[in-house]
Amino acid sequence: EPEVTQTPSHQVTQMGQEVILRCVPISNHLYFYWYRQILGQKVEFLVSFYNNEISEKSEIFDDQFSVERPDGSNFTLKIRSTKLEDSAMYFCASSRDSASGANVLTFGAGSRLTVL
Amino acid sequence: ELKVEQNPLFLSMQEGKNYTIYCNYSTTSDRLYWYRQDPGKSLESLFVLLSNGAVKQEGRLMASLDTKARLSTLHITAAVHDLSATYFCAVDPLGGGADGLTFGKGTHLIIQP
Repeated sequence: EPEVTQTPSHQVTQMGQEVILRCVPISNHLYFYWYRQILGQKVEFLVSFYNNEISEKSEIFDDQFSVERPDGSNFTLKIRSTKLEDSAMYFCASSRDSASGANVLTFGAGSRLTVL
Repeated sequence: ELKVEQNPLFLSMQEGKNYTIYCNYSTTSDRLYWYRQDPGKSLESLFVLLSNGAVKQEGRLMASLDTKARLSTLHITAAVHDLSATYFCAVDPLGGGADGLTFGKGTHLIIQP
């Protein structure tokens, strides 16, 4: 069964460092997303990406965050200068064209980011 | 701002019992999703509810949607230990693939033998 793959599974970084989280969405999906989940809390939307541009972003997704689809397969989330409160599990997700009305997201296994 | 509220947030129940998890949301939407998350794992799609009155069933789980009441329920019948997990409902406020889902806080379900 097709899956969304994410790397790394766990990254530890120092405050102020740049981090890039990588994702390979399902190949025939058109919509790509990043969500985050602080330990034990709810899943929060960060950004959606369609047709090589950001479709929607939340208040969390400030100037420190950026996304890119550099080569047609990878989808990356960059955090320019990490803060302690960026520590969370970051989930990448993708979905197909929603012509049917259903927007079923397939999530990756997540990348745990720990900022020290 | 869309609010999605689940209750209860924590539920401990015995095997064989029935229970219902509730998901209320604050804006008009006819697209609601239920996900399951095992500890330390990703989110797995359980149900997609796309219209008022929609009902979906899979094994011991049944989900329903009442768009007029802005309420979805996830009913567990004769619970078994394997259903222990955190269950999230999520609402798609505008429809279409470009929009983010808004998740509830999740219901942490523990089923004891």
